[in-house]
Amino acid sequence: GAVVSQHPSWVICKSGTSVKIECRSLDFQATTMFWYRQFPKQSLMLMATSNEGSKATYEQGVEKDKFLINHASLTLSTLTVTSAHPEDSSFYICSARRLAGAYEQYFGPGTRLTVT
Amino acid sequence: DAKTTQPTSMDCAEGRAANLPCNHSTISGNEYVYWYRQIHSQGPQYIIHGLKNNETNEMASLIITEDRKSSTLILPHATLRDTAVYYCIVRTQGGSEKLVFGKGMKLTVNP
Repeated sequence: GAVVSQHPSWVICKSGTSVKIECRSLDFQATTMFWYRQFPKQSLMLMATSNEGSKATYEQGVEKDKFLINHASLTLSTLTVTSAHPEDSSFYICSARRLAGAYEQYFGPGTRLTVT
Repeated sequence: DAKTTQPTSMDCAEGRAANLPCNHSTISGNEYVYWYRQIHSQGPQYIIHGLKNNETNEMASLIITEDRKSSTLILPHATLRDTAVYYCIVRTQGGSEKLVFGKGMKLTVNP
């Protein structure tokens, strides 16, 4: 149990376009989902925390108008990178916390974004 | 969140126990020790967590010192698939839900 999926697993897009990444909890309900970004040979950096049905909370330095997060249901959160630029190329990883009980976060497999 | 200190890297022979240390000298009384690992180009995987008692599950054992200022993650019989970056993280369980990742430690299991 506790499987989190991401789609797509990788995407290449042109500079200036927008890209949507989906994060789903497949076998549990998640009140809270998190979005991380990881550049090569670096650690994961938390971008934002999203709670179902409310606005996401962004970490300092993360542009909320550029990285749009929607958490419309207890099993789905989406991250849209708007007007992508090459510097947005990164590994984007989501995680989800169960509705109740344990506080472990379960991570998705990540999405590799390359902006050309 | 309290900070943790881990060695940058460690090697281990396949089949042997891998003992991964972590220092968290500023840990608060209500903070837990969590371990995650990240295999190359994958999302992090939860391993184990504990407060003050030693913990064991199917993946690993977690030994926390009595003063809680350090801990050791033990992989009893390391395999090549255990090669990964291991993250030791301290955080409250009921309060802040953020997992803040440090640099972690690269474990390489050699044949």
